[in-house]
Amino acid sequence: NAGVMQNPRHLVRRRGQEARLRCSPMKGHSHVYWYRQLPEEGLKFMVYLQKENIIDESGMPKERFSAEFPKEGPSILRIQQVVRGDSAAYFCASSLLLAGTEETQYFGPGTRLLVL
Amino acid sequence: KQEVTQIPAALSVPEGENLVLNCSFTDSAIYNLQWFRQDPGKGLTSLLLIQSSQREQTSGRLNASLDKSSGRSTLYIAASQPGDSATYLCAPNSGGSNYKLTFGKGTLLTVNP
Repeated sequence: NAGVMQNPRHLVRRRGQEARLRCSPMKGHSHVYWYRQLPEEGLKFMVYLQKENIIDESGMPKERFSAEFPKEGPSILRIQQVVRGDSAAYFCASSLLLAGTEETQYFGPGTRLLVL
Repeated sequence: KQEVTQIPAALSVPEGENLVLNCSFTDSAIYNLQWFRQDPGKGLTSLLLIQSSQREQTSGRLNASLDKSSGRSTLYIAASQPGDSATYLCAPNSGGSNYKLTFGKGTLLTVNP
């Protein structure tokens, strides 16, 4: 069973461009979470999605950031008009059931975004 | 708001030594707490998950304890090996949710051969 897949692993963008980060959850997992790790900081929760639904986006910046998890295909984290402060590692996690008392989140290898 | 502190920030030990990593968190209303390891340039690997009703959890040479009321958790590594070198992250839930993990900055462990 393949783990959580993320691509690209590294992404370089110039200021003002768009960044699209993709996440394929583990097989059978329908819950996806995105976290961001800024340099020298801990991972911060951004958004929680189920198939075709955003459940909690309380950690996502209000502007320029959006996320989706369509019925078919990977989850996408989209950052429009990137700025240097968006440079970070973006991690995706998935779980089989709603992550709760017994359910762990499985993390992907991350996408390292560098904005020039 | 959940805040997580991990002490020490970095630790270097000789191979074979037993060691303890510490984690403290401010909001004790958690569902569970997970310990992860992160290798440079890679993702996170889940090591142990402790439910809020548990006091400790063991996996191989790893033992994690949880004192929910005082907001503390420890990760004990027995007979450390060079392959244990990594950053160890503590992550309780936060905000009354059972999915939103809050991470500390981690403890960078180096085990010297």
